[in-house]
Amino acid sequence: IAGITQAPTSQILAAGRRMTLRCTQDMRHNAMYWYRQDLGLGLRLIHYSNTAGTTGKGEVPDGYSVSRANTDDFPLTLASAVPSQTSVYFCASSVEHRTSSGANVLTFGAGSRLTVL
Amino acid sequence: GENVEQHPSTLSVQEGDSAVIKCTYSDSASNYFPWYKQELGKRPQLIIDIRSNVGEKKDQRIAVTLNKTAKHFSLHITETQPEDSAVYFCAPGGAGSYQLTFGKGTKLSVIP
Repeated sequence: IAGITQAPTSQILAAGRRMTLRCTQDMRHNAMYWYRQDLGLGLRLIHYSNTAGTTGKGEVPDGYSVSRANTDDFPLTLASAVPSQTSVYFCASSVEHRTSSGANVLTFGAGSRLTVL
Repeated sequence: GENVEQHPSTLSVQEGDSAVIKCTYSDSASNYFPWYKQELGKRPQLIIDIRSNVGEKKDQRIAVTLNKTAKHFSLHITETQPEDSAVYFCAPGGAGSYQLTFGKGTKLSVIP
């Protein structure tokens, strides 16, 4: 593994089904994020985690949950998928710096394309 | 929360010409100003960033300029090439990466 790995690459899912998107990084980054990308709306933050054991809500958290049991893994779960969750999902990570002198560079995974019918 | 606007939403230029994309933000506390490039079907990647104590930064053919008073920053690409064709996102924010707010993107097309 080099960088961030997401799985699956794409998935078609029936509405009402539960789905977990997996994300693993091997860079020992302390912070991880989930974004969704929809045409014309840019990248919107769903949930984030500044360090293992902590998570926070982003701009569009409803219908999604995350966990961060260790540094490397940050799965995103849709408990009961709805068609409006059809999107491309990107996992990202960064070395989180709390001061303005730090670098906030995000490294993204390749994305997971989810279609909910 | 931060309100971010990018202009234009689409931009077509002839190869060799310059391209400028502007990003306007609302939060005066923002102190970090990056630009990401996303080629078709690929993941976003950072191409240049600037902090609030710097007015301009250059890296070969790309540059970013910041006007904190007016709350906007711009991406400048000179001598454009076909491989510059992509969607560009600004993402102003605070010290924490979770504080970044992405703009809706600008699709740049460089015509050979």
